[in-house]
Amino acid sequence: DTGVSQDPRHKITKRGQNVTFRCDPISEHNRLYWYRQTLGQGPEFLTYFQNEAQLEKSRLLSDRFSAERPKGSFSTLEIQRTEQGDSAMYLCASSRGLQPQHFGDGTRLSIL
Amino acid sequence: GEDVEQSLFLSVREGDSSVINCTYTDSSSTYLYWYKQEPGAGLQLLTYIFSNMDMKQDQRLTVLLNKKDKHLSLRIADTQTGDSAIYFCAEIMDTGRRALTFGSGTRLQVQP
Repeated sequence: DTGVSQDPRHKITKRGQNVTFRCDPISEHNRLYWYRQTLGQGPEFLTYFQNEAQLEKSRLLSDRFSAERPKGSFSTLEIQRTEQGDSAMYLCASSRGLQPQHFGDGTRLSIL
Repeated sequence: GEDVEQSLFLSVREGDSSVINCTYTDSSSTYLYWYKQEPGAGLQLLTYIFSNMDMKQDQRLTVLLNKKDKHLSLRIADTQTGDSAIYFCAEIMDTGRRALTFGSGTRLQVQP
């Protein structure tokens, strides 16, 4: 069990650029979640997948955000036309069914 | 509505017990969780309790749940400097929604 892996760990980009993050869940975990955490706050839910199906999206997930999990294994989260307010830690978690969610170390996004 | 509240800060001396408190508002919560976050890292699952339980003990950790008052606590016995971190309380509701709702976290500082 290698844990949830996220790449990159840090991303610095200019406002208006597109960014993409990757998450590799624990193998055989069928559920995968994305959360966003800003400084001094707890994580906030963005979206989740069961296998390859995206089953729920938060209202925090604006039109500039898109997430995929094409083969039911790894997932990508893309942010288009980044804004200053997108600066945050993006956390991925996975679970086997209703079992507890296990988190990766996150991708910290900084918008210049 | 969904609301999880925690006190912001707790300072204890090494060897003492720490008690971190959490209140939640949604009575349909099924599972309640405690996660630990160290600087620059993701969230580590510490323990969780099902809503039909009152107490759960796991080595140095004791979780108490008071459903009437919607109050959850985490007691860490013999607190060590390595326990210094931010502790998050989180809930999952019995509405079919699988997203975790987090509090803002309690920063635990352990003084030698």
